[in-house]
Amino acid sequence: ETGVTQTPRHLVMGMTNKKSLKCEQHLGHNAMYWYKQSAKKPLELMFVYSLEERVENNSVPSRFSPECPNSSHLFLHLHTLQPEDSALYLCASSQYLLYNEQFFGPGTRLTVL
Amino acid sequence: GESVGLHLPTLSVQEGDNSIINCAYSNSASDYFIWYKQESGKGPQFIIDIRSNMDKRQGQRVTVLLNKTVKHLSLQIAATQPGDSAVYFCAEMNTNAGKSTFGDGTTLTVKP
Repeated sequence: ETGVTQTPRHLVMGMTNKKSLKCEQHLGHNAMYWYKQSAKKPLELMFVYSLEERVENNSVPSRFSPECPNSSHLFLHLHTLQPEDSALYLCASSQYLLYNEQFFGPGTRLTVL
Repeated sequence: GESVGLHLPTLSVQEGDNSIINCAYSNSASDYFIWYKQESGKGPQFIIDIRSNMDKRQGQRVTVLLNKTVKHLSLQIAATQPGDSAVYFCAEMNTNAGKSTFGDGTTLTVKP
């Protein structure tokens, strides 16, 4: 295991639902990330947090709302999603921001009906 | 078991052969590069990294080569094993701008 856990592992939701993805890292890292991985497409960086402060938001729609209450936890709140948002959502952490190895969680497989 | 220079979406090699997986990056300002391995049902796993002031770095059975002139990165796996079967992809980072981009993956299949 990488020291990064994600829950739930699988999630099916309707377009009108509100749900949250949770990520927890047990590595004492200072930076955490949300990525989207769609079939046949490269990994897309969504959000970056460093010391609980958001440092990057890559033009992600507002229906995705991140939250980082402390350096060990990261959430991704979802509301009024679209079917094209179905993907694997990966959380990662690193000791420092970007310029070193990132440890990934197993991901949450999201299906939007 | 090699594909020198050209990025291929799939690569099939015989167990024991060497594998070469290629990646072309786009941003000449990128100064840090990582290779990841992703097995089915798992998140990406760091393999090896290289900074732009180097052109070669070796790990255990893996070597990364960086050619900044043509913006090309390669991952060499020596004596490929069935456990190496996975999707491999590269990431380029411009640490000054705080930007990172991931490449298309290559699915490596190792035949026993």
